Amino acid sequence: GAGVSQSPRYKVAKRGQDVALRCDPISGHVSLFWYQQALGQGPEFLTYFQNEAQLDKSGLPSDRFFAERPEGSVSTLKIQRTQQEDSAVYLCASSLVPGQGEEQYFGPGTRLTVT
Amino acid sequence: RKEVEQDPGPFNVPEGATVAFNCTYSNSASQSFFWYRQDCRKEPKLLMSVYSSGNEDGRFTAQLNRASQYISLLIRDSKLSDSATYLCVSRNSGNTPLVFGKGTRLSVIA
Repeated sequence: GAGVSQSPRYKVAKRGQDVALRCDPISGHVSLFWYQQALGQGPEFLTYFQNEAQLDKSGLPSDRFFAERPEGSVSTLKIQRTQQEDSAVYLCASSLVPGQGEEQYFGPGTRLTVT
Repeated sequence: RKEVEQDPGPFNVPEGATVAFNCTYSNSASQSFFWYRQDCRKEPKLLMSVYSSGNEDGRFTAQLNRASQYISLLIRDSKLSDSATYLCVSRNSGNTPLVFGKGTRLSVIA
């Protein structure tokens, strides 16, 4: 079956531009996570949704980062006024049932380069 | 100090060798532990969960020591296809976010 998909796969933005990254989770998955992976580092948590509710946004690095999941399926991560330090791979993961330790399935990521 | 620490490597080993990776975690509230594998420019994929009793999956053995807050992964009879970055991961409870180490890079050489 279809896994988690993300688009675009690659994005080059000039410093100061706004970007929007999309995540399509596995159909029926309730939980959705965004992670940021800088070069040579492990992924770091950004934010978590359960259906359409954003339950944890403690990992968002600044108020330039905003995420939404209005209908409880597709999610968008928006970064306003991009800076060079935002260059990273943005990974989306989904899992089936909250509270039962279900495996998180990762999408291929969006590689963002800010020039 | 990062919550999950692991030696970044690289570990360069010949085919057929046994290699061990270690990892420590600092959050005593962590309840679940995993090893993920990440190939170059690909997403992380679950390799195996880690239990206190130890668990084995083919050539891979994982072990958890809660008293020492220490996790290990042993790979026996290394194959060229085992070359990847291995990420040590913890989770506090339920469906909470995963906490990743930096990863340990393994290269298996013919």
